[in-house]
Formats: sequence, C-alpha cells, structure tokens
Amino acid sequence: DGGITQSPKYLFRKEGQNVTLSCEQNLNHDAMYWYRQDPGQGLRLIYYSQIVNDFQKGDIAEGYSVSREKKESFPLTVTSAQKNPTAFYLCASSIRDRGNTIYFGEGSWLTVV
Amino acid sequence: AQKVTQAQTEISVVEKEDVTLDCVYETRDTTYYLFWYKQPPSGELVFLIRRNSFDEQNEISGRYSWNFQKSTSSFNFTITASQVVDSAVYFCALTPIYNQGGKLIFGQGTELSVKP
Repeated sequence: DGGITQSPKYLFRKEGQNVTLSCEQNLNHDAMYWYRQDPGQGLRLIYYSQIVNDFQKGDIAEGYSVSREKKESFPLTVTSAQKNPTAFYLCASSIRDRGNTIYFGEGSWLTVV
Repeated sequence: AQKVTQAQTEISVVEKEDVTLDCVYETRDTTYYLFWYKQPPSGELVFLIRRNSFDEQNEISGRYSWNFQKSTSSFNFTITASQVVDSAVYFCALTPIYNQGGKLIFGQGTELSVKP
C-alpha cells in the first residue's frame, strides 16, 4: 500500500538526549515536511525539503535537524537544544508540482521524561 | 501576513444534526489554495478538500459540503446529518499556489463532538 510511515508511534526521551523520528514514503513524492502539533493548537512547520540533499527551515526549526539523502526518507532529529520537545510530530509529503496538496503520516508522540 | 482563523474551538451536536465549521482567512496573495483536513483521535490528518482561489463554486461530497466566498474570505465546511464517526478535530489551511515551499498555514482547529 502507498503511504507515509512514521516510527516510532510513541517515544520517550530523557532530558539532554537527542532522538530521531523516522519518516518514509512510497508515494514517489518530491517534497517532504515535518510539522509539530501542540495540544489544542494548529500545526507549525519545522523543516521542509523539495528535493534530495536540500532542505529549508520552517517557522520553528531551532533545536531540530533533518537530512534528505533519499527521496523516500526524511528523518527528523530532536536535539537537546530543543527546550520544549514534548509534542505530536507529523511528517507529510506532496507531489511538488501538483498544487501543493500535502498528505500526512500517522504521527509520532514524543514525551520528555 | 497570512492567517487562518477558526473561531469555534469546540462544537458539540447530537447525531443527525447539521453542523457548520467556520474558517476565515487572510492573505495578500491573489492566487492560493484552501484546504480542510480531518484529524480523528488516531492522530493522522486526513485530506478532505482543496479549493483554489479562482473557483468559487460550492462543492458537495456526500454529507460534506463547502462554501467558499472570496468576498468575505471564508471557506466554511458543513456536515449534513452528522454521525458519531464525524467526531474529530477539523483544520482549515491556506497556501499560496506558487509557494514552492509548500507551507500550509493552519487554523487552530475545531473539535467536533457528535453524540449518539
């Protein structure tokens, strides 16, 4: 089945640790995105990538890092520099030239303990 | 500046009632897309509809309908004969058509609760 797969679904992190959230898509989409959602709030863009080996910061990139070595993969690392990392993280992708409809994965819950 | 406002934080209805979710947007762009997404308790955002700024025709898909009015910068979503399975958070979003970054500007979301 085609889709966007995020793992793990739930992740617990100790303060001071880096963690990496995985995102894989088999939709042959060019663009990929990471959004953060806090309880009762909308989504905010962390990073996005339009092509392999290229990515840009979104609105809240501080404390996060990404890589785009393969078209189908866009992992997000939450570093210890992120002061308030507890949130729901959503990965998304789109066909770059198709009017920007963005499709989302199932999300990953990150909790700092 | 671009902004999406969903003034209704929570709505509660009884099954079979009709319900309208409001969305008002601000943008300086003349060409843009508007979206609605559904977020059930599982967390995944499900794409419902995309409307471009040139097309002001209302759209109906089963029990769902959308009313786009450029004059009032609104893109409201109506569910007819609501069902318990419609319970979810609904997000309205905006993006310029030529925005190569694909950035979606989201509203805060409206949590719809449909009671049996």
